[in-house]
Amino acid sequence: GNSVTQMEGPVTLSEEAFLTINCTYTATGYPSLFWYVQYPGEGLQLLLKATKADDKGSNKGFEATYRKETTSFHLEKGSVQVSDSAVYFCALILMDSSYKLIFGSGTRLLVRP
Amino acid sequence: NAGVTQTPKFQVLKTGQSMTLQCAQDMNHEYMSWYRQDPGMGLRLIHYSVGAGITDQGEVPNGYNVSRSTTEDFPLRLLSAAPSQTSVYFCASSPPSYNEQFFGPGTRLTVL
Repeated sequence: GNSVTQMEGPVTLSEEAFLTINCTYTATGYPSLFWYVQYPGEGLQLLLKATKADDKGSNKGFEATYRKETTSFHLEKGSVQVSDSAVYFCALILMDSSYKLIFGSGTRLLVRP
Repeated sequence: NAGVTQTPKFQVLKTGQSMTLQCAQDMNHEYMSWYRQDPGMGLRLIHYSVGAGITDQGEVPNGYNVSRSTTEDFPLRLLSAAPSQTSVYFCASSPPSYNEQFFGPGTRLTVL
């Protein structure tokens, strides 16, 4: 079946540390891939996306590359800030008639000053 | 544009009560969906709609009904609330490209 697997959190880092959150997927066909971010008490916001293999999505210093050969879409940031503390969700969308968005379980990031 | 709006923000129900969670969008999106978010489980799709008059079930549809009489509105009805329906509910809409979904702020529901 179609699924997304993310590394379990919480991930705790010091400010300016390097961040990697792993995400792998299983899907039929060629999905589009997303990272969403949820700040405390808020809804989900799209952070970045990639629609085909080898595409790199980037936003606010975050990057992720669509790797078809390893079915991965790992999120990275070179220097995290306290304001990056949030829950990060990896997701894929099935481009069939349902257009369903399938989420991973989320990874909580806590950045300490 | 207000984007995707949801009401109420918080709700407490007793077991067996019914209620409707409201969702509206002003972006003329054809695709709308409802998710529930539970700790450690990410978001799970409850119901979705690809246009007015068309709805279909997602991953966890039991205990919920939806209808889509207009492009703008997509209400979610709880028929007889159960404690297992305690969750945070998110509504989302998507433009025709289906390459991005826009989420509402959520409704936190507690069933006692």
